Amino acid sequence: NAGVTQTPKFQVLKTGQSMTLQCAQDMNHEYMSWYRQDPGMGLRLIHYSVGAGITDQGEVPNGYNVSRSTTEDFPLRLLSAAPSQTSVYFCASSYSITQETQYFGPGTRLLVL
Amino acid sequence: GENVEQHPSTLSVQEGDSAVIKCTYSDSASNYFPWYKQELGKGPQLIIDIRSNVGEKKDQRIAVTLNKTAKHFSLHITETQPEDSAVYFCAASDQGAQKLVFGQGTRLTINP
Repeated sequence: NAGVTQTPKFQVLKTGQSMTLQCAQDMNHEYMSWYRQDPGMGLRLIHYSVGAGITDQGEVPNGYNVSRSTTEDFPLRLLSAAPSQTSVYFCASSYSITQETQYFGPGTRLLVL
Repeated sequence: GENVEQHPSTLSVQEGDSAVIKCTYSDSASNYFPWYKQELGKGPQLIIDIRSNVGEKKDQRIAVTLNKTAKHFSLHITETQPEDSAVYFCAASDQGAQKLVFGQGTRLTINP
């Protein structure tokens, strides 16, 4: 198993540009989520999904969209990038809602100029 | 909503000594408290967790204690080794892994 994979590893965007951060898992996990990590603030939940076709907002959803068309993939879309979205983004998955062990991907470092 | 405070932000200990990291939470409904270790350039990795019906849990050199009355929980690492150097995060949730709220993180450095 590759576990949780994320692409790209690093991206530079200009303000106003859009992009999609990719996340995939090959463990047949129902639950997937996106976090952003900023210095001194820990990780904050952006969006999450409890299964294909079901998504919901986390703590900081503004400026981001998600979809879950398959069990394996959970892309995060930045609609119009802003400097405040400069961060490291982590995708995570777990077998189910009640199986708490979350497996994190390696992260995507995003810089918005 | 839930708020988790973590202290200290940095911690430096001699190899072989013990390290303790403390977290407080605000929501009395929280019932799941995991600890994650993040090595440089990697994603966080779960190292131990505890549920609200348990006061203490141990796994080799790592232990977590929970005081529900005071709303705080702590990570204890004994006989520290250089490979314990990393950033550690606590988290809390009232819905399992669905909506974890993380602390700010503690950078632990083990000095040889």
